[in-house]
Amino acid sequence: EADIYQTPRYLVIGTGKKITLECSQTMGHDKMYWYQQDPGMELHLIHYSYGVNSTEKGDLSSESTVSRIRTEHFPLTLESARPSHTSQYLCASSDSRTGGGEKLFFGSGTQLSVL
Amino acid sequence: RKEVEQDPGPFNVPEGATVAFNCTYSNSASQSFFWYRQDCRKEPKLLMSVYSSGNEDGRFTAQLNRASQYISLLIRDSKLSDSATYLCVVKSGGSARQLTFGSGTQLTVLP
Repeated sequence: EADIYQTPRYLVIGTGKKITLECSQTMGHDKMYWYQQDPGMELHLIHYSYGVNSTEKGDLSSESTVSRIRTEHFPLTLESARPSHTSQYLCASSDSRTGGGEKLFFGSGTQLSVL
Repeated sequence: RKEVEQDPGPFNVPEGATVAFNCTYSNSASQSFFWYRQDCRKEPKLLMSVYSSGNEDGRFTAQLNRASQYISLLIRDSKLSDSATYLCVVKSGGSARQLTFGSGTQLTVLP
């Protein structure tokens, strides 16, 4: 079983609020990712990190920001939530030392609804 | 055209049936291929990697056809618990940006 945790599981919030989605993993994985997924659609990479103090934006334009101060923690922050941010956010991690890095372990996701 | 394309389905099959899904990819330089499984409202989980010579894991068989740029997943003796969405994932380079997910094929196995 994967040891990667996301909180909250569901979040309903009003427009303009600042939110932080939490993601933690206890596997010591060096790589971490944030994906966005709408129902019936593919996952889109919005942020990734190769290690502590390393973060990059993904292909999908996002107004969110991330930080990686500790290996196990990769929070995502939206400074001012809008209805267009309503989506499922999935955090994932992988271990590049195992030779592939493609085996992603996903958290259970945060379903965000912005009213 | 999407980089990775899948028939969204749904595929509704009776228990015990054999079912196959295809996935096409557009980047001929793609290096690695995977099938992930995603249950309704749950996170994706790696089902199997796809090797050039094809590979099998129990009732699941994956094939790669580089010439035609597609991969396939065959499920034999379908179980009710196989009901899920199957995501095709293609890696075209070393960066996380170069891991592309298909939108998935939905399978429902009926009793």
